[in-house]
Amino acid sequence: AQTVTQSQPEMSVQEAETVTLSCTYDTSESDYYLFWYKQPPSRQMILVIRQEAYKQQNATENRFSVNFQKAAKSFSLKISDSQLGDAAMYFCAYRSWNRDDKIIFGKGTRLHILP
Amino acid sequence: DGGITQSPKYLFRKEGQNVTLSCEQNLNHDAMYWYRQDPGQGLRLIYYSQIVNDFQKGDIAEGYSVSREKKESFPLTVTSAQKNPTAFYLCASMEGPGTEAFFGQGTRLTVV
Repeated sequence: AQTVTQSQPEMSVQEAETVTLSCTYDTSESDYYLFWYKQPPSRQMILVIRQEAYKQQNATENRFSVNFQKAAKSFSLKISDSQLGDAAMYFCAYRSWNRDDKIIFGKGTRLHILP
Repeated sequence: DGGITQSPKYLFRKEGQNVTLSCEQNLNHDAMYWYRQDPGQGLRLIYYSQIVNDFQKGDIAEGYSVSREKKESFPLTVTSAQKNPTAFYLCASMEGPGTEAFFGQGTRLTVV
């Protein structure tokens, strides 16, 4: 069974600085999808970024980028120019390419932004 | 606007009572999911449904039941057999293979 591990329960970063959130996963599949979700205090889950395993190029969305290392089964999220609105829980997630699949989430990392 | 609606936002239940959480989507998605969120536990899958009139147990299905009579609706019943039902419940839907999940705003259930 696939698992997703986020080893940092909490992190803090100064406003305008860069922070990297770690995520590792375990799978025997070669095709899959990886996601980072943000959950702000409102508790609404928001997709931050997604990565297809067959793509070697790392995904980027404005200030958010990933470092996808398929051989190492690592999928870290980098947030540049951190803003107060980035304060939230961040969840790393895995989804198999199979239709009959589900999204598996890590336990999350709570990110604090220090003014 | 398309989206997923969960109701109610807050729900209080007395011990021994069953309660049903509503989840409705107008995104025309086939797949729908129920997750439970507890502090420090991330999101754990309760039940999911890939198609109308069919559903599968997730990792923590004991004490819960679901139905999928319509594509748009996937209600979750928390039964009296669920030993620790106080939690935040999230409903999600997905369009197809490889797509991301869209989430409702959640229901906070408290047993009193």
